[in-house]
Amino acid sequence: QKEVEQNSGPLSVPEGAIASLNCTYSDRGSQSFFWYRQYSGKSPELIMSIYSNGDKEDGRFTAQLNKASQYVSLLIRDSQPSDSATYLCAVNLANYGGSQGNLIFGKGTKLSVKP
Amino acid sequence: SAVISQKPSRDICQRGTSLTIQCQVDSQVTMMFWYRQQPGQSLTLIATANQGSEATYESGFVIDKFPISRPNLTFSTLTVSNLSPEDSSIYLCSVVKGEETQYFGPGTRLLVL
Repeated sequence: QKEVEQNSGPLSVPEGAIASLNCTYSDRGSQSFFWYRQYSGKSPELIMSIYSNGDKEDGRFTAQLNKASQYVSLLIRDSQPSDSATYLCAVNLANYGGSQGNLIFGKGTKLSVKP
Repeated sequence: SAVISQKPSRDICQRGTSLTIQCQVDSQVTMMFWYRQQPGQSLTLIATANQGSEATYESGFVIDKFPISRPNLTFSTLTVSNLSPEDSSIYLCSVVKGEETQYFGPGTRLLVL
């Protein structure tokens, strides 16, 4: 059973702080990892993708990947109230290579940024 | 990017009936998927909608319950058959454009009484 695990939260951080969201996965051969943001009542939107070990930065967002530990994280710097949403970690199954097809989603971490 | 529309946006259905959901994309795409998001849960892939051939279903999902059509590269339908309250969910279609990005439609909220 392929699994993606996330702490459901809620994770509450003050405005301006760093929010740290974590995700572990079971399929050791997975090659592609994604973070989606889902506002309440809306559909998910992709905010970060990462394929190689290490860090990938995009504006206030940094994705970190450690394949040996089967761990991927998302850091949000200078958190804003508008960042309040559920963050979904998604992992591509190994037999699909780098394709976006067949993503396994975690249950998501609800983030609340307090003004 | 991709602009995706779904119809209906929401519906309330009686058990035993069926609901067909339409997904329309503003441009041709190769890969199109159908997901289910049950209340308080994450997304679960139902199937890959293949143009011109039968859909590819994930474990736990069968064609008799979730028939899918994909007549061309911009349109697909998902039917949820013989509805039960357990089918109450949000159903989302998604497409892949470019190398990395999977775009999701706005979803269809289904409540089965």
